[in-house]
Amino acid sequence: QQQVKQSPQSLIVQKGGIPIINCAYENTAFDYFPWYQQFPGKGPALLIAIRPDVSEKKEGRFTISFNKSAKQFSLHIMDSQPGDSATYFCAADNSGAGSYQLTFGKGTKLSVIP
Amino acid sequence: DVKVTQSSRYLVKRTGEKVFLECVQDMDHENMFWYRQDPGLGLRLIYFSYDVKMKEKGDIPEGYSVSREKKERFSLILESASTNQTSMYLCASRPPGGLINTEAFFGQGTRLTVV
Repeated sequence: QQQVKQSPQSLIVQKGGIPIINCAYENTAFDYFPWYQQFPGKGPALLIAIRPDVSEKKEGRFTISFNKSAKQFSLHIMDSQPGDSATYFCAADNSGAGSYQLTFGKGTKLSVIP
Repeated sequence: DVKVTQSSRYLVKRTGEKVFLECVQDMDHENMFWYRQDPGLGLRLIYFSYDVKMKEKGDIPEGYSVSREKKERFSLILESASTNQTSMYLCASRPPGGLINTEAFFGQGTRLTVV
């Protein structure tokens, strides 16, 4: 059973566009929602994360929007650049003391064309 | 600079061989994980460990085992490699839950080909 559903699987945008990647979760105990970015030949690295006490978090050109009632969150990349071409994974976790593992979405391969 | 280091970037092994993938972290993290990554399937958890000598099965443990004799080292073992285990393998470490920062740190990956 997939607990975090991510869409789309792939995305192509032109430079300067605003790609949006969406994720939906089922487990209402989740309270930590990170996004990881993976470049070819590298391991994923944390990009930005949000907790459900806020509806939006922005870091540079990257913004997470969070809708607790709909159990959905999304990543927006403003003014996208070719260097943003990567695979993006959303994830979710219950960050309590007994937490061990993140639940990942299946990933979105983003291509930003010049 | 925090680091998770996987012993090999590329490996080619023969069907039936016993394969060891090694991972070392320098952050004193309790939790360590092994994932495999395949196109369209994302990151699938094979095994994880929350303490020395402790291990838990993930979503796809069949055909794999793990060893954690020291806190900083987590090994993935393919008992008898098969062609369907050809994949990218990623190791990760993470602080314990209950903390503000629970970022997971990944190694660079080992691309294993079984022929």
